[in-house]
Amino acid sequence: GAGVSQSPSNKVTEKGKDVELRCDPISGHTALYWYRQSLGQGLEFLIYFQGNSAPDKSGLPSDRFSAERTGGSVSTLTIQRTQQEDSAVYLCASSLDGHFNQPQHFGDGTRLSIL
Amino acid sequence: DQQVKQNSPSLSVQEGRISILNCDYTNSMFDYFLWYKKYPAEGPTFLISISSIKDKNEDGRFTVFLNKSAKHLSLHIVPSQPGDSAVYFCAANSGNTPLVFGKGTRLSVIA
Repeated sequence: GAGVSQSPSNKVTEKGKDVELRCDPISGHTALYWYRQSLGQGLEFLIYFQGNSAPDKSGLPSDRFSAERTGGSVSTLTIQRTQQEDSAVYLCASSLDGHFNQPQHFGDGTRLSIL
Repeated sequence: DQQVKQNSPSLSVQEGRISILNCDYTNSMFDYFLWYKKYPAEGPTFLISISSIKDKNEDGRFTVFLNKSAKHLSLHIVPSQPGDSAVYFCAANSGNTPLVFGKGTRLSVIA
């Protein structure tokens, strides 16, 4: 498709397990962003990629969270030793280049539930 | 410390009337503001933006107004349609900093 694609759309896992979330940005978009939305909250910035490098990781909440991007395209967000407070919708967005004054186009998110 | 605030969690408007969604911000360095619309189980969709050098931007039924002295922006939808029912997020940033989002306002347009 032409939009940002995220998988899985839903993930239920037990506390303590590792999870990997995937994002496929719009073709040709060099900038990629991860956000999360907890219940009743706004979108919380996690990390930003320009190409394969991450100039801004300031939003990652702990060292259990990591992300990588390969080939300037697909990105994976990994959460190790998941905790119940990690339950949220994880949203990925992409934009044409790294200038933040540009609309970001979002995927439909991964709803993560930690039991 | 919420830098972008949407103080109304919900709003109901009759079809055909004007919807006004409000957003306040505290960071005077913000120079770019956006509105996103979100349907259930979908990602946010970009709606309209405004830079701090303007005080109004219009796109069809959607107009965003910016009052820098009051650190306030609003989104006007006129006429409102049932398909406009969604959660609307206000976002802001400055230069190359990440977007900061408000918590959203749920708009219900009643036929």
